[in-house]
Amino acid sequence: DSGVTQTPKHLITATGQRVTLRCSPRSGDLSVYWYQQSLDQGLQFLIQYYNGEERAKGNILERFSAQQFPDLHSELNLSSLELGDSALYFCASSSGLAGGTTQYFGPGTRLTVL
Amino acid sequence: GESVGLHLPTLSVQEGDNSIINCAYSNSASDYFIWYKQESGKGPQFIIDIRSNMDKRQGQRVTVLLNKTVKHLSLQIAATQPGDSAVYFCAENTPPGNQFYFGTGTSLTVIP
Repeated sequence: DSGVTQTPKHLITATGQRVTLRCSPRSGDLSVYWYQQSLDQGLQFLIQYYNGEERAKGNILERFSAQQFPDLHSELNLSSLELGDSALYFCASSSGLAGGTTQYFGPGTRLTVL
Repeated sequence: GESVGLHLPTLSVQEGDNSIINCAYSNSASDYFIWYKQESGKGPQFIIDIRSNMDKRQGQRVTVLLNKTVKHLSLQIAATQPGDSAVYFCAENTPPGNQFYFGTGTSLTVIP
């Protein structure tokens, strides 16, 4: 158990809908990262938050957004969902902001868009 | 259109043998690397890490080797066990940020 928690474990929804994925980092970790893992793209970095502020963006679509709250949990919002958004979404956390800090992953949320 | 999955390299080994999983990383400025193990339906699990000022690092039954000249990383698993069956990813970090970029992964199957 990495100490990172994610809810829900599974999510099934329809195209055009909006969903929210939730992540709680390990105790003491200030950085949260979101990744998408799909069959044809592998594990892709989406976005990073540190202590409530956005710090880095990867391959995140404009339909997706995230935030980190004062208690350090984070939410990833996916809107106008398309079939291609079906994937595993992972959250990871680390203690620091600078490069070279180990990231620990949560168990993921499996999103299925029908 | 039809969705095509990633064609993961695969490695099959007999239980008790040693396994070597290789990874070519992309950025010569990367200075921190992690090997993750991902079992089906689970999140990536940290196995071992190495920084660019080292060539080799050992853990329990695992060793990571780093060759910066050719941008190559390898993971050696000693006395491979059925529980080692999983997909293994190398991840690289290029400073100053802490985003990691992942390789496509290698699927390891241990034959009892």
